[in-house]
Amino acid sequence: SQTIHQWPATLVQPVGSPLSLECTVEGTSNPNLYWYRQAAGRGLQLLFYSVGIGQISSEVPQNLSASRPQDRQFILSSKKLLLSDSGFYLCAWTTGTGFYEQYFGPGTRLTVT
Amino acid sequence: LAKTTQPISMDSYEGQEVNITCSHNNIATNDYITWYQQFPSQGPRFIIQGYKTKVTNEVASLFIPADRKSSTLSLPRVSLSDTAVYYCLVGPRGDDKIIFGKGTRLHILP
Repeated sequence: SQTIHQWPATLVQPVGSPLSLECTVEGTSNPNLYWYRQAAGRGLQLLFYSVGIGQISSEVPQNLSASRPQDRQFILSSKKLLLSDSGFYLCAWTTGTGFYEQYFGPGTRLTVT
Repeated sequence: LAKTTQPISMDSYEGQEVNITCSHNNIATNDYITWYQQFPSQGPRFIIQGYKTKVTNEVASLFIPADRKSSTLSLPRVSLSDTAVYYCLVGPRGDDKIIFGKGTRLHILP
C-alpha cells in the first residue's frame, strides 16, 4: 500500500532562517507531487507541483522553492523565512494522470517567530 | 479550471441529512467533480467523485443535475465527527494542477 511521509511534524524557526521540509512517498512510482500551504483558518494554497524528477511548476514563487531530486521525494525550501511563511504545509500525491484521488501527508506545522 | 462557489459555512444537528451545494457554471465537458473533507490539523481526504447523475459510496452521495452547473454533496445522518471543512473541486482527469477553494465549514451541533 502507498504511504506518504512528511517531516518534521512541527517546526519553530526565526525570521531570516533557512527552511527545508521533506516529503517522501512509498508504494507507488512516478507520482505527481504537490506542496500546499494552509494559513490558520484559511483554505489550501497550491505552492508547487511536480510531474517528474526535476520538473517543478511554481504557483506562488515568492521566497520558496521546491525540488524533486528523486522520483518519490519532494523538498520545499527557503533561504530566508518571513513571518508570513507560517502555516501548515501539506505534501500530497496523485497517480500520474492527475485529478484522481489525491493523498495527503500528515503535514508540517511551521511557526516563524 | 472551472471556478466553484460554495457556502462559507453551515450548521446542522446530529442525525440530520446535510446537503452542501457547489456551483460551477463554467464546467467543461471533460471536467469531473470531486469532494474532499478536511479535519483540523490534517490533510484533506477524498470523499467522492462523479461526472453526472448520482454517485453513492459508503460515506456520501453526490447529485449532479443534467446541466452539470452545480452539484450537491449529501451526508446522511451526520454525527459530531462530521464537523469539518468540505471542498468541491472541478477539473479534467489528466490535469496536473489541483487547486482547492475556500471550502464549506460544516459544524454539527448535538
